[in-house]
Amino acid sequence: DSGVTQTPKHLITATGQRVTLRCSPRSGDLSVYWYQQSLDQGLQFLIQYYNGEERAKGNILERFSAQQFPDLHSELNLSSLELGDSALYFCASSSSGLLNTGELFFGEGSRLTVL
Amino acid sequence: KNEVEQSPQNLTAQEGEFITINCSYSVGISALHWLQQHPGGGIVSLFMLSSGKKKHGRLIATINIQEKHSSLHITASHPRDSAVYICAAEGGSGGSNYKLTFGKGTLLTVNP
Repeated sequence: DSGVTQTPKHLITATGQRVTLRCSPRSGDLSVYWYQQSLDQGLQFLIQYYNGEERAKGNILERFSAQQFPDLHSELNLSSLELGDSALYFCASSSSGLLNTGELFFGEGSRLTVL
Repeated sequence: KNEVEQSPQNLTAQEGEFITINCSYSVGISALHWLQQHPGGGIVSLFMLSSGKKKHGRLIATINIQEKHSSLHITASHPRDSAVYICAAEGGSGGSNYKLTFGKGTLLTVNP
């Protein structure tokens, strides 16, 4: 058990819809990272938050947004969903995130299927 | 943009064999991560290294900064080592130190 909790584990929705994925980091970790894993693209970094503030952005689409709340949990919002958004979405946390990523602890992932 | 290449893509071994998985990257980095992903999908961080060598149990990771190359070795492999092993390069020229660029992974199958 990594200590990182992601919900929901599975989600099936239709094109055009909006979903929210939730992540609770390990106790005490200030950094939260979001990653997307699809069959054709593999793992890709989406975005990082550190203590409530966005710190780095990767290949995150404009239809996607994220935030980190004062209690350090994070949410990834995916809107106007397309078939190609079907993927596993991982959240990871680390106690670092100021100078580098540090050791990452991954959640079990949220599997999104867009029909 | 950092390109991360892993080899081999697939690897089948007999229990007890010594395993080597290679990772090369195209630009300088601040750290290199090795991850393990089991068939159920969960990802576990094995190593994060920026120089030299690290060892944890039967796993050894090495990195050569000058050659932009890292290797993951598994000694006395066991069927429970069967998983996808992914390397990820952190940072690099023009890149954020928080951005990981991932290799496509190596699927390791260890037969009893």
